[in-house]
Amino acid sequence: QVQLQESGPGLVKPSETLSLTCTVSGGGSISNYYWSWIRQPAGKGLEWIGRIYTNGNTNYNPSLKSRVTISVDTSKTQFSLKLSSVTAADTATYYCAREYGLGMATTQYYYYGMDVWGQGTTVTVSS
Amino acid sequence: DIQMTQSPSSLSASVGDRVTITCRASQSISTYLNWYQEKPGKAPKLLIYGASSLQSGVPSRFRGSGSGTDFTLTISSLQPEDFATYYCQHSYNTPRTFGQGTKLEIK
Repeated sequence: QVQLQESGPGLVKPSETLSLTCTVSGGGSISNYYWSWIRQPAGKGLEWIGRIYTNGNTNYNPSLKSRVTISVDTSKTQFSLKLSSVTAADTATYYCAREYGLGMATTQYYYYGMDVWGQGTTVTVSS
Repeated sequence: DIQMTQSPSSLSASVGDRVTITCRASQSISTYLNWYQEKPGKAPKLLIYGASSLQSGVPSRFRGSGSGTDFTLTISSLQPEDFATYYCQHSYNTPRTFGQGTKLEIK
C-alpha cells in the first residue's frame, strides 16, 4: 500500500530556509491526489501548513503563506516543503500526508480526509 | 479561518467504558468533519470522515455523529489500545484546521 517518508535536515539555523521532501512509494500514481504538510510542536496540537494537487495547484495556511512553498515532482513521486525565514517557533515534527476524496458528500463534492501519513520528521531551529 | 474547539481537553476512563468527545466549529461545516487518533511517537490515523463514515479498518466501536457546528466522537467500549489523543479536523474549505485535541487517559 502507499507509504510516505519525510526526509531533510533535522537542524536549521534561524533565518534560513527549512526544506523537506516527502517520497511516495508503494505503487500507484501520485496523480489526482492532494499532498499535504502538517506540523506539530512538541506537546502541542496539529497545524495544517498547506497542500498541493498534482496539477500544481496549491493552498496554504494564511498564517504561513508568505513563507511557504510546496511543490511536486510527479516523475520522482515526491513533493516538497520550503519554509523560509524560520525561527524557533517553527521547531516541530513535520508530517506529510495524502488527502483523498473518500466518499461523495454531494454530486459535486467529496469528503476529503488525510488517509495516509508519513512517520514524521523532527526539525529543530537553533543556531 | 474556521476554528475547531474540542471538549474536554483530557478525559480519564476505564477499559470497557463508553466515552464521548465533542467538537464544535466556529461556523457551519455541514458534515465536513474528520476525526483522527494519535498515539505517542506515531502519526495521526484517520478514524472517521464525513462526520460519521468509518474509515476502512477502523473498529465499529468508534462512532461519529453531528452536523452543522456540533459533532461527537463516541467510543462504545474502550479497549486498551484506544488510550490516545483524538483530534477533529474540518474539510469544509482551506485552511484545514484541527481541534486542540482530547487526551484520553486510563483511570
